[in-house]
Amino acid sequence: DAGVTQSPTHLIKTRGQQVTLRCSPKSGHDTVSWYQQALGQGPQFIFQYYEEEERQRGNFPDRFSGHQFPNYSSELNVNALLLGDSALYLCASSSVTAVNTEAFFGQGTRLTVV
Amino acid sequence: AQTVTQSQPEMSVQEAETVTLSCTYDTSESDYYLFWYKQPPSRQMILVIRQEAYKQQNATENRFSVNFQKAAKSFSLKISDSQLGDAAMYFCAYSRRKGGSEKLVFGKGMKLTVNP
Repeated sequence: DAGVTQSPTHLIKTRGQQVTLRCSPKSGHDTVSWYQQALGQGPQFIFQYYEEEERQRGNFPDRFSGHQFPNYSSELNVNALLLGDSALYLCASSSVTAVNTEAFFGQGTRLTVV
Repeated sequence: AQTVTQSQPEMSVQEAETVTLSCTYDTSESDYYLFWYKQPPSRQMILVIRQEAYKQQNATENRFSVNFQKAAKSFSLKISDSQLGDAAMYFCAYSRRKGGSEKLVFGKGMKLTVNP
């Protein structure tokens, strides 16, 4: 079991550009959540996808959007990048139907906006 | 809104000693989960221990145990026989227990250093 995998591990973008981050959930999981972790802070919830729809959303602007595919993998898109979007982006997967609702995290994508 | 507060940004402990990490939270819900996550330099969040609010018994996992005080909204983590591999960022987190997968609300974290 590969666990939760995220790609890429690092990337550098210029202000105003757009970026797409990818996440493959742990085998057997159907729900993907995205978190933003700024330097020295705890992760902040961006949104969650289940059955290819956004199920919950945190306090993030519309520049942040996502998608979930039929195989449960997910993408996080950020448009019009700002310097403040520089952060570690974490993906977590879980199962809506499991008795134990533990979320498993990937190793994150480090995004630097210059 | 639910909030999680970790007031100690850093702590250090000698190898083989015991250390306690503190956390307080605020919620109007009566049924919820509390978690401690560990984030080593590899960046991956690893679940250390979980407490269900409706259970009065404190959770334990090997060298890790919690002191859950529901009325005081306090949730501390005790690490016994500290090991060098315990050095990491530790995050306290909360989620509602509404069925399915609820979002996690994290504290700001605490850096634990283990001295040999």
